[in-house]
Amino acid sequence: GESVGLHLPTLSVQEGDNSIINCAYSNSASDYFIWYKQESGKGPQFIIDIRSNMDKRQGQRVTVLLNKTVKHLSLQIAATQPGDSAVYFCAETSSGTYKYIFGTGTRLKVLA
Amino acid sequence: DVKVTQSSRYLVKRTGEKVFLECVQDMDHENMFWYRQDPGLGLRLIYFSYDVKMKEKGDIPEGYSVSREKKERFSLILESASTNQTSMYLCASSGRTGKNIQYFGAGTRLSVL
Repeated sequence: GESVGLHLPTLSVQEGDNSIINCAYSNSASDYFIWYKQESGKGPQFIIDIRSNMDKRQGQRVTVLLNKTVKHLSLQIAATQPGDSAVYFCAETSSGTYKYIFGTGTRLKVLA
Repeated sequence: DVKVTQSSRYLVKRTGEKVFLECVQDMDHENMFWYRQDPGLGLRLIYFSYDVKMKEKGDIPEGYSVSREKKERFSLILESASTNQTSMYLCASSGRTGKNIQYFGAGTRLSVL
């Protein structure tokens, strides 16, 4: 089976509740951020992004919040569903570079 | 939809073998990337390419090389596989302008025995 995520922090949430996944980013010069979802046996999948000139962005059932003062990013998932079970990680980059810095991720477990 | 296809999902190789991992993208993206993913370490960049025949070392290039002869294809080569190269390998691509969202393939799980 998959060995990715064996040592990850885990968030367990009841189905229907809201989930909040946090990420502390490392580079104060980073100006663009992405949240990815990685299901078991699959590659990372883009969920939502945000630029540093915003502090909140909403998608379908997901909201990303950015606090540049403390270099903190969060992903909120509303009405969490079993299909949301996965590893979630953030990525940061800055203008003028192709390189991203990826977080190690949080495993979300949705309890029925 | 962007599609990034990695040629193998699982590979088992022996120490010392030469290993080729292939990646193809269908979105005419300029940038392509190879990462390895290990528990607790996140994604680490091995190499990336910003154009055909152009490449730059990432954070952990030792023991690897790459080839980009066509825009849509980016190959990762393990010249002489070692057990510490057992890992999940992920390919990604992104456009040059705009948001530069990286789109990933499904990954290749390589075991070196």
